[in-house]
Amino acid sequence: EDKVVQSPLSLVVHEGDTVTLNCSYEVTNFRSLLWYKQEKKAPTFLFMLTSSGIEKKSGRLSSILDKKELFSILNITATQTGDSAVYLCAEGSNYKLTFGKGTLLTVNP
Amino acid sequence: DGGITQSPKYLFRKEGQNVTLSCEQNLNHDAMYWYRQDPGQGLRLIYYSQIVNDFQKGDIAEGYSVSREKKESFPLTVTSAQKNPTAFYLCASNNFLSGTSGKAVSEQFFGPGTRLTVL
Repeated sequence: EDKVVQSPLSLVVHEGDTVTLNCSYEVTNFRSLLWYKQEKKAPTFLFMLTSSGIEKKSGRLSSILDKKELFSILNITATQTGDSAVYLCAEGSNYKLTFGKGTLLTVNP
Repeated sequence: DGGITQSPKYLFRKEGQNVTLSCEQNLNHDAMYWYRQDPGQGLRLIYYSQIVNDFQKGDIAEGYSVSREKKESFPLTVTSAQKNPTAFYLCASNNFLSGTSGKAVSEQFFGPGTRLTVL
């Protein structure tokens, strides 16, 4: 059975800290890895990764994929209270997404 | 405005009643999906449809039914057979990455969700 595992499940940091969120996957026919941010409503898209070693960046957020070791990381530098959310990763193949349980990030002032 | 709409935002039903959740998209996406989210959980796939008049069961299809008579619409019925229906329901749609085999899912767009409470 295909599986996506995120760690840690929850994380509390102070504003200005840098955090790294992890996502490992065990899926057949891997095609794409997606990251979403969810704040008490529908998830919003962050990144999609299909190739190993190519970092994607958007402001203070960045993500990279390692297809050999079957994992991806999401980095957030200089965290702000507005970064507090659940971060979801999902693997996209076989016409659908398989989601992990998410990492709950809390950024305290 | 392009997007996905779900209605209603909040829904209350008595135990034993069937209820239908609406999902409409005007993004011209081929594929549509229904997820359920419980507190502290990720998204679990209920049903999905790659094309009109076709749909497949996801991981937790028992007690649910869907139809896909039009490209824009993918309603979900929560039946009385669903043992624990209270949850947050999300609808999504996407196209697939072109030029790839195995149909990789591209960015999936989500509706605002329906919070169903069964009393």
